Amino acid sequence: GAVVSQHPSRVICKSGTSVKIECRSLDFQATTMFWYRQFPKQSLMLMATSNEGSKATYEQGVEKDKFLINHASLTLSTLTVTSAHPEDSSFYICSARDTSGGNADTQYFGPGTRLTVL
Amino acid sequence: QKEVEQNSGPLSVPEGAIASLNCTYSDRGSQSFFWYRQYSGKSPELIMFIYSNGDKEDGRFTAQLNKASQYVSLLIRDSQPSDSATYLCAVFSGGSYIPTFGRGTSLIVHP
Repeated sequence: GAVVSQHPSRVICKSGTSVKIECRSLDFQATTMFWYRQFPKQSLMLMATSNEGSKATYEQGVEKDKFLINHASLTLSTLTVTSAHPEDSSFYICSARDTSGGNADTQYFGPGTRLTVL
Repeated sequence: QKEVEQNSGPLSVPEGAIASLNCTYSDRGSQSFFWYRQYSGKSPELIMFIYSNGDKEDGRFTAQLNKASQYVSLLIRDSQPSDSATYLCAVFSGGSYIPTFGRGTSLIVHP
């Protein structure tokens, strides 16, 4: 299957700082990437849909000014958590949409980034 | 509101048994269906997908789709303790590339 990487895998930061998370599709071009957040023992929550070259589409209740998304190329999307607070501590997972495989419009997930805000 | 329902479990099966995981969906226009496995503390990984009614087999895994009844299931044969994880069902509605995920079913395979 296709490979999606995320960096960093784990980050600890102080309250008030900003954290950038990168998501890369390594062996396919992804016009669309998705950002999810998952709290312990909870289900995946879609935060936003990131389309290459255009503004991201945020889900209801997700602050676009706090979670900045940039999808500058067909293989890279970034999520910046601005002015992070302890309640932003979570597992952030990106996924990339692979449309190259026949009729298989498949999402592949990155390994996730565990953010801890002190 | 598109809904994808899964029993949260846990579903507990003995090693070597068949584990059956079920998923129902509300949108009759749904076109494609995916199963992901998520180990604790890790991100989901794709197991398989299915588009057409009937069965699709991949190794020890079989996906079953019944569009008339709006359910999709995943069978795991010869279950192993390493199969213990949460299994997520994802459904794509026609014309949408944004899937709706179920909340997942926790599977425990005990030796």
